[in-house]
Amino acid sequence: GENVEQHPSTLSVQEGDSAVIKCTYSDSASNYFPWYKQELGKGPQLIIDIRSNVGEKKDQRIAVTLNKTAKHFSLHITETQPEDSAVYFCAASNSGGGADGLTFGKGTHLIIQP
Amino acid sequence: DAGVIQSPRHEVTEMGQEVTLRCKPISGHNSLFWYRQTMMRGLELLIYFNNNVPIDDSGMPEDRFSAKMPNASFSTLKIQPSEPRDSAVYFCASSFRGPNGELFFGEGSRLTVL
Repeated sequence: GENVEQHPSTLSVQEGDSAVIKCTYSDSASNYFPWYKQELGKGPQLIIDIRSNVGEKKDQRIAVTLNKTAKHFSLHITETQPEDSAVYFCAASNSGGGADGLTFGKGTHLIIQP
Repeated sequence: DAGVIQSPRHEVTEMGQEVTLRCKPISGHNSLFWYRQTMMRGLELLIYFNNNVPIDDSGMPEDRFSAKMPNASFSTLKIQPSEPRDSAVYFCASSFRGPNGELFFGEGSRLTVL
């Protein structure tokens, strides 16, 4: 099955700086790569996703890049704000009819220092 | 819509007892997922249903765990007998596009087995 590795496990940045979280995946058939944000005491919530037919997607301060050849994808947050502090998860799945669900990385605890 | 509803939010029980966690997915969603979250293992997929039928239960730890979805608006995850290593937060999520679209998570059920 799919294996998703995520780094770093903890990331501390100054408010206003950029943050980058990286993930790699093992199954070359995976073609859907979402990112979820989890705030304390809540369930994860989708913030952005990318499919394998594009290399980059942007939504305001958040962007995701995908390199299918290298099997890695990254989340970029610019101009970080205190409300960006949370745990971020990357994930991967295969929409080609496989039975596997969505496989998550182990998460990155992002801390925004004031 | 009220979102995915899980109950109970917190459960404390003793080893050997039966535990039943409940989930009401978002109306109209055809896929339902049960995930377990721990510090050590992150978010693990336990089982996922599509149109009330289990598609992938390879993540169910062992025979002590069972899940049912008798209709489109209700699912249960049962642990019998429970063990201390089952202590975790259990999330239910639903989607209308299987694992290849946005998953909407409930707020989780925090289980503590003494």
